[in-house]
Amino acid sequence: QLQLQESGPGLVEPSETLSLTCSVSGGSIYNSDYYWGWIRQPPGMGLEWIGSIYYNGRTHYGPPLKSRVTISQDMSRNQYSLHLYSVTAADTAIYYCVREVSGSREVDYWGKGTLVTVSS
Amino acid sequence: QSVLTQPPSASGTPGQRVTIFCSGSSSNIGANYVDWYQQLPGTAPKLLIYTNNQRPSGVPDRFSGSKSGTSGSLAISGLRSEDEADYYCAAWDDSLSTRVFGGGTKLTVL
Repeated sequence: QLQLQESGPGLVEPSETLSLTCSVSGGSIYNSDYYWGWIRQPPGMGLEWIGSIYYNGRTHYGPPLKSRVTISQDMSRNQYSLHLYSVTAADTAIYYCVREVSGSREVDYWGKGTLVTVSS
Repeated sequence: QSVLTQPPSASGTPGQRVTIFCSGSSSNIGANYVDWYQQLPGTAPKLLIYTNNQRPSGVPDRFSGSKSGTSGSLAISGLRSEDEADYYCAAWDDSLSTRVFGGGTKLTVL
């Protein structure tokens, strides 16, 4: 059974970089059938797609955060990471790592999510 | 302001049928598949319907989805108390080149 687990600091200071890692078990991220991505949800609000990475390293980012985000992968550890730069309080959210099906792009697996608070 | 439009709330009594609509445009729902996700309180969202009307393994057939033009809909029949959750629609948007979500519909079982 595929499992995704987010890890990283729960508190980040304004203007710093938010960095999270997703550890994948039960399947390889080197698989052309899927994209590996991030979605966030501010407390009490809706879902926002951040971006995703394909097995060949190709990345795709949503326009609102495109200038501040990088997603990378570590095949040897079967992990991928999110880096969000110059954060503000508006970036406070639950961050989910997810798997998207290539082609139809539905999100078929979600991590449990991790709350990241931006505050000094 | 979400790209896809859903009613903020819906309700029904046990056993009833409830339908939640999701309105989009020609660049998202009109051109691509619609998915639906269920988010129970305090948990991560879960895929409920994909490619407009397909159910993942384990999702009861009380849940069904459809698409017509630039709108999608999620129907829940035989409503149960455990269906009380937030429901989100989603689709790829070709113009924005990103995945877009509806604002979510909070379903209350009275």
